[in-house]
Amino acid sequence: DGGITQSPKYLFRKEGQNVTLSCEQNLNHDAMYWYRQDPGQGLRLIYYSQIVNDFQKGDIAEGYSVSREKKESFPLTVTSAQKNPTAFYLCASRTGTGGAGNTEAFFGQGTRLTVV
Amino acid sequence: GEDVEQSLFLSVREGDSSVINCTYTDSSSTYLYWYKQEPGAGLQLLTYIFSNMDMKQDQRLTVLLNKKDKHLSLRIADTQTGDSAIYFCAAAPWNRDDKIIFGKGTRLHILP
Repeated sequence: DGGITQSPKYLFRKEGQNVTLSCEQNLNHDAMYWYRQDPGQGLRLIYYSQIVNDFQKGDIAEGYSVSREKKESFPLTVTSAQKNPTAFYLCASRTGTGGAGNTEAFFGQGTRLTVV
Repeated sequence: GEDVEQSLFLSVREGDSSVINCTYTDSSSTYLYWYKQEPGAGLQLLTYIFSNMDMKQDQRLTVLLNKKDKHLSLRIADTQTGDSAIYFCAAAPWNRDDKIIFGKGTRLHILP
């Protein structure tokens, strides 16, 4: 089955620690995204990548880092510089817009990160 | 910059129709999407419409697009308790670095 998988589903972090959230897709999608969701805030874009070994900052990139060494994988690191990291994190992937036709985003099931 | 706006809450009685509205600012948006999010889960694509269409119907779902006013709506007929969720409107502007712009989501509450 093709899809996009996030792990873990729940993650607890002590203040001052870095943590890495995993996102893997086997849809052969070029573009991948990380969003943060807070109550009443909708989805805010953290980082996105259109191609391997390239990524761009989204609207709230401060305190986060990413890598895109493989097409299938787009891990997100929440660093100690992120002042308020407790949130629900969503990863998505999408065929690049270079081709014709619809290119909806497919989402993982999310990771809930809590700072303790 | 580009923006997608939608109301935050909607309450509807079971069996009635729900209509969730959305406006967007980027006239170059080619595809417009409706996603559903149940508690603690990711977003699931419900339906989408291409910008050269006015209407799309899929079982209980009807999407209406007014391109002139940049207004999109999602109608859910015969609303059921399982429809209780957050509904996100999203727009895909043409050639905008592959970004999809999401609204803040409308929480649909079903009254018995």
